[in-house]
Amino acid sequence: EAQVTQNPRYLITVTGKKLTVTCSQNMNHEYMSWYRQDPGLGLRQIYYSMNVEVTDKGDVPEGYKVSRKEKRNFPLILESPSPNQTSLYFCASSKQSPNEQFFGPGTRLTVL
Amino acid sequence: AQKVTQAQTEISVVEKEDVTLDCVYETRDTTYYLFWYKQPPSGELVFLIRRNSFDEQNEISGRYSWNFQKSTSSFNFTITASQVVDSAVYFCALSEVDSSYKLIFGSGTRLLVRP
Repeated sequence: EAQVTQNPRYLITVTGKKLTVTCSQNMNHEYMSWYRQDPGLGLRQIYYSMNVEVTDKGDVPEGYKVSRKEKRNFPLILESPSPNQTSLYFCASSKQSPNEQFFGPGTRLTVL
Repeated sequence: AQKVTQAQTEISVVEKEDVTLDCVYETRDTTYYLFWYKQPPSGELVFLIRRNSFDEQNEISGRYSWNFQKSTSSFNFTITASQVVDSAVYFCALSEVDSSYKLIFGSGTRLLVRP
């Protein structure tokens, strides 16, 4: 089944404790992206990747890192999480931007 | 700067009513793409449609229809004969060629269809 998977789906952590949210797609898509969803703000892009080893900042990259060492994986790293990073995070992929983006199920992160 | 505005925060209708969700966008690009996504209560994001800036034809898919008007920078979404299963948050989004196809979302419209 073609899909984008994210792990974990739910995470509660404390300020400053490094964490990684994994994202994997099995559709051989070149383009991958991370978004955060906050009430009243819609989805905002954090980082995106046009292909392996090619990443770029979206609208709200501060406090996040990404890497794209393999085509299928695009992990989101929070080196030192803070409470303002409490949010719902979505990973997405598409064959080529600006095609339809397939979204993962979301990761709900709470930083205390 | 690119921007997507969904002025309707929440809409409530009774089943079988028609409802239109508004989307207004701002862009300097001549080539861009517009999208609609649905987010049901379960939380996943479901792609509904993509339209490029050179195609102003309206589109109909079952009970769903989209009206793209470049003159007013709008890409409105109409649900005909709404059903309870249409209850969801709907997002309009813009992607510009000059911004490496970064996807800009509106803030979403929550649609509640009451039985």
